[in-house]
Amino acid sequence: SQQGEEDPQALSIQEGENATMNCSYKTSINNLQWYRQNSGRGLVHLILIRSNEREKHSGRLRVTLDTSKKSSSLLITASRAADTASYFCATDDGNNRLAFGKGNQVVVIP
Amino acid sequence: DAGVTQSPTHLIKTRGQQVTLRCSPKSGHDTVSWYQQALGQGPQFIFQYYEEEERQRGNFPDRFSGHQFPNYSSELNVNALLLGDSALYLCASSLQGGDEQFFGPGTRLTVL
Repeated sequence: SQQGEEDPQALSIQEGENATMNCSYKTSINNLQWYRQNSGRGLVHLILIRSNEREKHSGRLRVTLDTSKKSSSLLITASRAADTASYFCATDDGNNRLAFGKGNQVVVIP
Repeated sequence: DAGVTQSPTHLIKTRGQQVTLRCSPKSGHDTVSWYQQALGQGPQFIFQYYEEEERQRGNFPDRFSGHQFPNYSSELNVNALLLGDSALYLCASSLQGGDEQFFGPGTRLTVL
């Protein structure tokens, strides 16, 4: 069943700007992961944050997790045209079984 | 080191037919999960295989079945296809007990 709910659903930004996406979930989690998908193809794993972590960085990506609010955010800094994609959050309850949100469509305009 | 591979890339079937999709996990991985992604939606968990057994199952009917082979590769079978089964089917591999799942490129199934 769908657990993650991303907000906003669609985002259009200029190259060089930052893009922020939020995700909320309903149940307890072991970790939360963000994925990117280009043109309806396979999912690329971006970053994983565990339930006992509050913030994590990877290159131009910054993820935060607030377990008290059951929410997470993904920030992409200095966006590039190549960042145009759909972004999904997915929660793992510890059984390696991911529950995905509906995704954010991000368009970066050159 | 090959990542997760899936075959075929695209498939067109008619209602009532049966289909088999295949997945080879990333080298060293022993667990395979299958997901269905309808157009405009996020992936939905179908089931997971480990040690050649179905370990977990999502909310999918018995028309969806699977198999895992001794070399850890896996098949997804769908019987009595419905129009609503049209979707991208994604395979993900992982290590049992690990956190990260690696996804294949998917198989696009169209049911006419």
